[in-house]
Amino acid sequence: DQQVKQNSPSLSVQEGRISILNCDYTNSMFDYFLWYKKYPAEGPTFLISISSIKDKNEDGRFTVFLNKSAKHLSLHIVPSQPGDSAVYFCAASPNQGGKLIFGQGTELSVKP
Amino acid sequence: NAGVTQTPKFRILKIGQSMTLQCTQDMNHNYMYWYRQDPGMGLKLIYYSVGAGITDKGEVPNGYNVSRSTTEDFPLRLELAAPSQTSVYFCASSLRGGTKNIQYFGAGTRLSVL
Repeated sequence: DQQVKQNSPSLSVQEGRISILNCDYTNSMFDYFLWYKKYPAEGPTFLISISSIKDKNEDGRFTVFLNKSAKHLSLHIVPSQPGDSAVYFCAASPNQGGKLIFGQGTELSVKP
Repeated sequence: NAGVTQTPKFRILKIGQSMTLQCTQDMNHNYMYWYRQDPGMGLKLIYYSVGAGITDKGEVPNGYNVSRSTTEDFPLRLELAAPSQTSVYFCASSLRGGTKNIQYFGAGTRLSVL
């Protein structure tokens, strides 16, 4: 039972354009959501997060949007840069503990 | 600033062999975690610990054991390696659990069981 889903395994975007990565979840008990970025041969690194009481959080070129009624969140990267090419994981935290539930990941390729 | 350190980076095991994946963190974090990542899949939690002497099972604990004798170290033990345990293993730590739980990851151990 996949509680956090990223339905697009890959995404290709031109440099300077917007990248939009999507994530859907099924468990209404999730109250904190995170995006992690992973380069090859490295561990995931924290990128940005959002609490369920908010619908938007922005950090520089990265913005995360949360639509609770649709159980959907998205990560926007504007403008996209070649260095953003990586695998992006969406993760959710249930309010009863510290565990994170990860999606399958989306591989973003930003072409010069 | 070391963060979370995992050793070894790569390992090949024969079926039935055993090994310990090492993980240490220098951030004085209370919580530590072990994940595995299979190709095309997200990270799945194997075991976690909320402090020294306390461990609990995650989503996929079968075939693994853990111990937490110190705050810094959280080794993962494979007793009888099987091909299904071929994966990339990540150790992570966080200051606390609950909401706003930001986990910091090591670089991973790539394990092949042949």
